[in-house]
Amino acid sequence: DTAVSQTPKYLVTQMGNDKSIKCEQNLGHDTMYWYKQDSKKFLKIMFSYNNKELIINETVPNRFSPKSPDKAHLNLHINSLELGDSAVYFCASSRGTIRKTGELFFGEGSRLTVL
Amino acid sequence: AQKITQTQPGMFVQEKEAVTLDCTYDTSDQSYGLFWYKQPSSGEMIFLIYQGSYDEQNATEGRYSLNFQKARKSANLVISASQLGDSAMYFCAMRGSNYKLTFGKGTLLTVNP
Repeated sequence: DTAVSQTPKYLVTQMGNDKSIKCEQNLGHDTMYWYKQDSKKFLKIMFSYNNKELIINETVPNRFSPKSPDKAHLNLHINSLELGDSAVYFCASSRGTIRKTGELFFGEGSRLTVL
Repeated sequence: AQKITQTQPGMFVQEKEAVTLDCTYDTSDQSYGLFWYKQPSSGEMIFLIYQGSYDEQNATEGRYSLNFQKARKSANLVISASQLGDSAMYFCAMRGSNYKLTFGKGTLLTVNP
């Protein structure tokens, strides 16, 4: 069974459209994250939820809205897509501590291409 | 604020040799964790090794070891006996008193046969 799964893996869409990426983890972790990896491979955190509560909200356009219906799911909705939103979006989860068991487990990534 | 610096955009190593990937960090937290991740060309993020700021021993995991020098704020990854499958992007990351894992820009390692 996949520990952190994201859907879809690939998404090609037109500018101005709205799209969602879903993420689910079956590890029993309390904390989930969305990271964006740009074309230069730089990984930047966007959001984090701990037990359905938003705890990290980096400087991200408000076109991006995360939603956590329960602690095993964290979805990302993007409105009015722009060319600069093209990237790989990674979902991750952790036990939310800085100790060894606090490493992040990543999904396989969702490659978003905006035309 | 946390900052991770990886100064080597790319590194080359011969198969079976050891290689060190550099990482320095900056934080005002007293307690923090340092991580290394591998990202092969297939794109997935693979956790390699962890070092806690209060751990006295350097972490080791198989062929991976972490050369932790706290006073210098460095956490270099050492890969021994390199294999062709080690060719990948390697990211150093740090997690402090918040839940945020901050990544460096990565080092692209190429292992030559």
